[in-house]
Amino acid sequence: QKEVEQDPGPLSVPEGAIVSLNCTYSNSAFQYFMWYRQYSRKGPELLMYTYSSGNKEDGRFTAQVDKSSKYISLFIRDSQPSDSATYLCAINTGNQFYFGTGTSLTVIP
Amino acid sequence: NAGVTQTPKFQVLKTGQSMTLQCAQDMNHNSMYWYRQDPGMGLRLIYYSASEGTTDKGEVPNGYNVSRLNKREFSLRLESAAPSQTSVYFCASKSYEQYFGPGTRLTVT
Repeated sequence: QKEVEQDPGPLSVPEGAIVSLNCTYSNSAFQYFMWYRQYSRKGPELLMYTYSSGNKEDGRFTAQVDKSSKYISLFIRDSQPSDSATYLCAINTGNQFYFGTGTSLTVIP
Repeated sequence: NAGVTQTPKFQVLKTGQSMTLQCAQDMNHNSMYWYRQDPGMGLRLIYYSASEGTTDKGEVPNGYNVSRLNKREFSLRLESAAPSQTSVYFCASKSYEQYFGPGTRLTVT
C-alpha cells in the first residue's frame, strides 16, 4: 500500500466553481501535511502547510485535515483559469516526504 | 534570493554516458533532496541529505550517486545512464517546508 493515494483526475471545472481535491494516507503517525501546485514544465510550489486536524485558510484556498479518517483535502473557491495546474498532496515525517501522484485541474473560462 | 537552482535545464545522453546534475540553495537549509518525476508515478525520492556531510538513500537510489559538497550544494550523478533514467529530476531543500528547483529534463537514448 502506498503511503499517500491521490485521485489523478483529470478534473475540469468552469471558472468560479468550487474545487475539491483529496488524498488519503496510510500511517496515522504522519503529522505534517502539504499541498503543492505544479504548472506544466515547472517545479512544484508550496501552497499550504499544516500539522493539525481542522481547516487552514489562505485566500481562496482551504486545506482540511481529518486525522481520524486519514484524509486530507484542498478546496479552491472561485476557481480561476490561472488555477489550472497539477496539485500534489504531500506528507512529511522527519526527513521523509511522501507525495501523491497529483491531480490535474483545468479551469475553463 | 534565487531559492533552489538547478543546472542544466535539459540534457540528452546516450546509454552508458555519465553526467552530474547540479543543485544549489541560498536559503541556508540543512536538508536537501533529489527526486525524479515520471508520469503516473508522482515524485519519488532518490537520495536526501539531512545535513552537510550526510546522505541517505530514498525510494529509488539504484543507478545514482550523490555528493553534499557543502551546505549550499547537492549534486546527483548518473555513472552509466540507462533509458529507464529518462525523467524530470527535481532538487529540493527544506526548513519546515520543502522548496523545489525548476527541474532538469533528462532523456537517455
